[in-house]
Amino acid sequence: DIQMTQSPSTLSASVGDRVTITCRASQSISSWLAWYQQKPGKAPKLLIYKASSLESGVPSRFSGSGSGTEFTLTISSLQPDDFATYYCQLGVTFGPGTKVDIK
Amino acid sequence: QVQLVQSGAEVKKPGASVKVSCKASGYTFTSYDINWVRQATGQGLEWMGWMNPNSGNTGYAQKFQGRVTMTRNTSISTAYMELSSLRSEDTAVYYCARGPPIDGMDVWGQGTTVTVSS
Repeated sequence: DIQMTQSPSTLSASVGDRVTITCRASQSISSWLAWYQQKPGKAPKLLIYKASSLESGVPSRFSGSGSGTEFTLTISSLQPDDFATYYCQLGVTFGPGTKVDIK
Repeated sequence: QVQLVQSGAEVKKPGASVKVSCKASGYTFTSYDINWVRQATGQGLEWMGWMNPNSGNTGYAQKFQGRVTMTRNTSISTAYMELSSLRSEDTAVYYCARGPPIDGMDVWGQGTTVTVSS
């Protein structure tokens, strides 16, 4: 089975910061990686699909890149609404999540 | 608008079964796969399986093989997930989500809390 890791597991940042989250897969199966944002008590929200395609309605400060076994999610200028947990997903496997909290 | 609306919270005893529903609206139900994903309190997301509402074809995560059954009623645009032989470790929020996993799941239900307790 494919294993996913995310780093960091927790990230403390300030409004306006540039934030990068990395997702690594134990093997390369495709570049069809997705990123989700989840807030407490809410369902996940799709941000990025196919590694770098921005889901409709998602602010352009979110971007995705990568291929093979290493992928990144970047938030160019962190906004108050962005404090949440972020998950990557490759195939049917989710990463363990990265919590972005207020510094 | 496009949405998935799930059934309400359930409390079950160990060994029992639970059946969660997921009603689609705002789009053609048979045009998109439905996935089921669960999340235990404070934990990450775990994919359980998918169903093609048009054909009824299903695929389940190995962990749940033999315990999970995904079905649908196309006349009412509703998908179902039944999990049997419940144990305390099955206590979680269960989500349905639209779309083949490799494309990203773009619409999610609000979640159904299932509590397994004696």
